[in-house]
Amino acid sequence: GDSVTQMEGPVTLSEEAFLTINCTYTATGYPSLFWYVQYPGEGLQLLLKATKADDKGSNKGFEATYRKETTSFHLEKGSVQVSDSAVYFCALSDGETSGSRLTFGEGTQLTVNP
Amino acid sequence: DAGVTQSPTHLIKTRGQQVTLRCSPKSGHDTVSWYQQALGQGPQFIFQYYEEEERQRGNFPDRFSGHQFPNYSSELNVNALLLGDSALYLCASRAIGGTYEQYFGPGTRLTVT
Repeated sequence: GDSVTQMEGPVTLSEEAFLTINCTYTATGYPSLFWYVQYPGEGLQLLLKATKADDKGSNKGFEATYRKETTSFHLEKGSVQVSDSAVYFCALSDGETSGSRLTFGEGTQLTVNP
Repeated sequence: DAGVTQSPTHLIKTRGQQVTLRCSPKSGHDTVSWYQQALGQGPQFIFQYYEEEERQRGNFPDRFSGHQFPNYSSELNVNALLLGDSALYLCASRAIGGTYEQYFGPGTRLTVT
């Protein structure tokens, strides 16, 4: 079945540091890929998405590129801020075989210190 | 434009009881999915409703059931509650025919004692 693997956390960075959170996936079809962010005590917010190979999703300084050859969708940001502290989830939706259900990774807790 | 709303925000129940959680989808959306998020884990898909019917189901027992109303709102029912049902329950909506992205509500925190 479909699965998503994220780098183990938690991740602690200083403000203005470079961020990478690794995500790899397994899917039988041609999935769409997503990054969601969850702030403390809240639901999930869609951060960015990519629907086909080589697409780059971007939002609020975050970027991720859909790499079919390595089945990866790593999240990056050039300069993190304290306000980026949250849990980040990589997810896929394999519309070909499972409709729009989302399969999530375990999440990566990011803490940014001033 | 109202987003996805859920009620109640928090709920405390006793083992063996039954609970009903409610969700109103984002305006223009007609498909509702429910997810269970245990503490420190990623959300797990429970089921999805479209046109008032369950269209997909994840690996959850029959104690978990749902309903969708003509106005697209939805309910999640859990019978015979277990301690392990304690979690954040998230509702998500999307528009059929659109991309597969889903918009999530703030969730209902269920505690079973």
